[in-house]
Amino acid sequence: SQQGEEDPQALSIQEGENATMNCSYKTSINNLQWYRQNSGRGLVHLILIRSNEREKHSGRLRVTLDTSKKSSSLLITASRAADTASYFCATAALRGSTLGRLYFGRGTQLTVWP
Amino acid sequence: SQTIHQWPATLVQPVGSPLSLECTVEGTSNPNLYWYRQAAGRGLQLLFYSVGIGQISSEVPQNLSASRPQDRQFILSSKKLLLSDSGFYLCAWSVGQAAKNIQYFGAGTRLSVL
Repeated sequence: SQQGEEDPQALSIQEGENATMNCSYKTSINNLQWYRQNSGRGLVHLILIRSNEREKHSGRLRVTLDTSKKSSSLLITASRAADTASYFCATAALRGSTLGRLYFGRGTQLTVWP
Repeated sequence: SQTIHQWPATLVQPVGSPLSLECTVEGTSNPNLYWYRQAAGRGLQLLFYSVGIGQISSEVPQNLSASRPQDRQFILSSKKLLLSDSGFYLCAWSVGQAAKNIQYFGAGTRLSVL
């Protein structure tokens, strides 16, 4: 399967703590993206990291990519109750007929307690 | 700015009834369009995607179909719904090259087949 797999499936932390979610994938990728989904809503794009990048920051988000291990991590620093949501990684295939598609994992459910 | 509209937000249908979900995008031309289904607590399953009018690719054989009668309109249909068609349906769009394949999602339709 080309889908990413997030780990852990669920994460529960206190406000102010950092949250780390991991994603593993199996095929060569063009880029890897992280999305957020509030309960019962559509997904919102958070950050994209290209295959030739190793780390990227956006506000309180930090994403790393290790193409040799086919893995990525999303770090949310100083978490807030409003960060409670499901987080998905998605990979864009490098070549072939699947070019242009995104493959989503099953997501990590993050709960941040006030 | 670009917006995506998806309706209805919630739908309850009896088994064997037809289905029509509509998605429209505003503010962009020739978008790539996608229909996903998300089962409770699960990831996204790509159902159909379209790179242009009348061009539909199906990912999963099932009793659903999709059409793209206009550049920015994407319709998901079924002639006879099954119980297993229940789920959260999401429409998404993207533009540009695959290397920057960020997808933008609608708010989703919660379909319950009873």
